[in-house]
Amino acid sequence: LAKTTQPISMDSYEGQEVNITCSHNNIATNDYITWYQQFPSQGPRFIIQGYKTKVTNEVASLFIPADRKSSTLSLPRVSLSDTAVYYCLVGDPNTGGFKTIFGAGTRLFVKA
Amino acid sequence: GAVVSQHPSRVICKSGTSVKIECRSLDFQATTMFWYRQFPKQSLMLMATSNEGSKATYEQGVEKDKFLINHASLTLSTLTVTSAHPEDSSFYICSAGSRGARTEAFFGQGTRLTVV
Repeated sequence: LAKTTQPISMDSYEGQEVNITCSHNNIATNDYITWYQQFPSQGPRFIIQGYKTKVTNEVASLFIPADRKSSTLSLPRVSLSDTAVYYCLVGDPNTGGFKTIFGAGTRLFVKA
Repeated sequence: GAVVSQHPSRVICKSGTSVKIECRSLDFQATTMFWYRQFPKQSLMLMATSNEGSKATYEQGVEKDKFLINHASLTLSTLTVTSAHPEDSSFYICSAGSRGARTEAFFGQGTRLTVV
């Protein structure tokens, strides 16, 4: 499983766009990149997943360069409720149910 | 999205007793489930992989005799913390995945275990 590196913490203000970058230099050909959000005392919640280029859903965008050695989660206009820990995970979903090894994650603090 | 349910959400037990935590996949069959432990301000630590109909695979450093895992059906895995001690107090989270149909793991809401 590819190791990931993210900033430990980030601060932002309401209404701003937040970009969190994750490095995964050893990503394998069959690996997908998945981002999760976790609030205190809750299980992680799926945000977005991608393999290459750009993926967008109703809450975020995921940018993946051609070499796939990094990825950037973009939250368009954050609110106070987006304060959480964000995890970037890399793995092959077809090797037995997507075993997920969590890195340290990024603690995002959104201020008013 | 798929739903994974954990029960109980909170439990307090006395030292020396055992506690069972259930993890259910409500709308899909989970051939594989995973159990994690999370201490305050830390990331999730994978404890074991639970495979339906076979023995669980434990991560290095996790005592299999202390953390008993049973995955008797495609929708239920249980984690039993045996002879619990205060240092076992933690947040336990399960996740479930299935081969092919879905490409992400779905997490339960977690169980806060406090051993007094």
